[in-house]
Amino acid sequence: ETGVTQSPTHLIKTRGQQVTLRCSSQSGHNTVSWYQQALGQGPQFIFQYYREEENGRGNFPPRFSGLQFPNYSSELNVNALELDDSALYLCASSLAASGRYTGELFFGEGSRLTVL
Amino acid sequence: GIQVEQSPPDLILQEGANSTLRCNFSDSVNNLQWFHQNPWGQLINLFYIPSGTKQNGRLSATTVATERYSLLYISSSQTTDSGVYFCAGLNSGGSNYKLTFGKGTLLTVNP
Repeated sequence: ETGVTQSPTHLIKTRGQQVTLRCSSQSGHNTVSWYQQALGQGPQFIFQYYREEENGRGNFPPRFSGLQFPNYSSELNVNALELDDSALYLCASSLAASGRYTGELFFGEGSRLTVL
Repeated sequence: GIQVEQSPPDLILQEGANSTLRCNFSDSVNNLQWFHQNPWGQLINLFYIPSGTKQNGRLSATTVATERYSLLYISSSQTTDSGVYFCAGLNSGGSNYKLTFGKGTLLTVNP
């Protein structure tokens, strides 16, 4: 059984650029969610994808967008990067029925984004 | 949304000591989980414990759902236990897709 994998692990961008982060869900899971963790804080929910559609969204602007693919992998895209977007981005996968979790979430190692 | 309060925010122990970390929720939750974040940032699942008590080696957890709190016990702590511990839960009365995290407890175990 493969766990949640994310890429890239580290990246550096400049303000105004765009970034794409990728996540492969754990085998058998059909739901992916993304979290942003600023330094010294707990992770904050960005959005969840279920059946290739956004199923819920946190308090993040529209320049944060995502995709889920038929194999349940997912992408997080952030446009017009700002300095405050510097953070650890965590992907989590789980099993859900009708968009509602049926068990625990498992997280990947994260992608650490630095915006200069 | 729900609020999650963790205590203490920081904890320093000598190797071999025991500790208790607490997590309070402002509303009823399900899908309550405890995590340990390693130095590289990965959240390691410790317990999935919506209610009751579970044990895994030197770690155990208890959730009293009716009183909206959960406890994580670490016995005979080791230096490798150092790191940040998070609890997180889903609001059982709200949309069942958003885990809300506390701010974490930073545990330092000295040799």
